[in-house]
Amino acid sequence: DIVMTQTPLSSPVTLGQPASISCRSSQSLVHSDGNTYLSWLQQRPGQPPRLLIYQISNRFSGVPDRFNGSGAGTDFTLKISRVEGEDVGVYYCMQATQLPYTFGQGTKLEIK
Amino acid sequence: EVQLVASGGGLVQPGGSLRLSCAASGFTFGSYWMTWVRQAPGKGLEWVANIKEDGSEKYYVDSVKGRFIISRDNAKKSLYLQMDSLRAEDTAVYYCARSRASLITWGQGTKVTVSS
Repeated sequence: DIVMTQTPLSSPVTLGQPASISCRSSQSLVHSDGNTYLSWLQQRPGQPPRLLIYQISNRFSGVPDRFNGSGAGTDFTLKISRVEGEDVGVYYCMQATQLPYTFGQGTKLEIK
Repeated sequence: EVQLVASGGGLVQPGGSLRLSCAASGFTFGSYWMTWVRQAPGKGLEWVANIKEDGSEKYYVDSVKGRFIISRDNAKKSLYLQMDSLRAEDTAVYYCARSRASLITWGQGTKVTVSS
């Protein structure tokens, strides 16, 4: 199985400041069809997860443009340009290139 | 409005069975892969299974193979997860989600507790 490793596991951030989360996969996530199925999800406290970014860098409908994804191969990053209060929660990367699909351990974003 | 409503969770003894359901609305259900994801108490997300639009392909995480069966009824716009031989480690909130590689819509989840 592909192991997804996120760092940091906890990220205290000041409101208005940027935040960055790294996700590394144990194997390349480039699919045989040429696409890279790496997505980012946000889970606010007490809520189901919500898709933020798909295929590395595509922002899902309704997601604010302060969320940006980047990377390639085995190394990926989610950046929040200016953290707002509503961004508090746990962020997961997920790979859907190879079965079984797997998630990172989650990164808890909290306000300082 | 796109909506997924999961139900069927509850308390069950080890070795018991449960059938989860997920009712879909607001989109063409039969045009999407569907997925089950679970989250143990205080833990992260674990992909459980998914099923193709017409039900012809089904995939499972190893830990549930032979015990869980994913199915769907497109006429009823519903997704199911039959869970047999339940173990304590199956205790989790089970979410249904729309699509396959990018999980674009999530239900609110249904809680399953396996305990004697």
